[in-house]
Amino acid sequence: GESVGLHLPTLSVQEGDNSIINCAYSNSASDYFIWYKQESGKGPQFIIDIRSNMDKRQGQRVTVLLNKTVKHLSLQIAATQPGDSAVYFCAENGGNEKLTFGTGTRLTIIP
Amino acid sequence: DTAVSQTPKYLVTQMGNDKSIKCEQNLGHDTMYWYKQDSKKFLKIMFSYNNKELIINETVPNRFSPKSPDKAHLNLHINSLELGDSAVYFCASSRGRREGEEEKLFFGSGTQLSVL
Repeated sequence: GESVGLHLPTLSVQEGDNSIINCAYSNSASDYFIWYKQESGKGPQFIIDIRSNMDKRQGQRVTVLLNKTVKHLSLQIAATQPGDSAVYFCAENGGNEKLTFGTGTRLTIIP
Repeated sequence: DTAVSQTPKYLVTQMGNDKSIKCEQNLGHDTMYWYKQDSKKFLKIMFSYNNKELIINETVPNRFSPKSPDKAHLNLHINSLELGDSAVYFCASSRGRREGEEEKLFFGSGTQLSVL
């Protein structure tokens, strides 16, 4: 079946630096993508989303980029803080009423 | 107030037992879900209910039976628990896919199930 995958399972970034988490998806019919953040012992929390008719969307300190040509999604976090340490998931909606999640990237912010 | 709440947070039980996990959402959402997260953090959908009706069942064994008494509740009952059922189970809810709106899920804090 189709899947959503990540290039890197772990990422360590110095506090204050920017981080980029990448995600590859394979379902060309997906029209909506979400990034979630999961802290230890908690459920995933919504960070930012993007529709397929856009290629960039910005939030507070976060930016999502979508490249439909190569089926690639990325999450950029600016000026990382210790509280950004978590597992980050990308998820796609292929129009079948469910979100398919990627395998997750563990981001560690080094003080 | 917690938007999506599930109980218990931890559940330790013996193989072969029957157990239930409860979930309630106070967001007024129409759609609720159960997801399973394994030890490698992989999140996989199990069930989805819209207004008390089952709309997604992802080839989950019959031992798992969701029950939705109303659209604010989606409970998960598991019969004859097996070692492989050990995981974290997340309940979630959403407004449901509507024209011009997206399927943003709100998750509960999870129930860690350990089958011994």
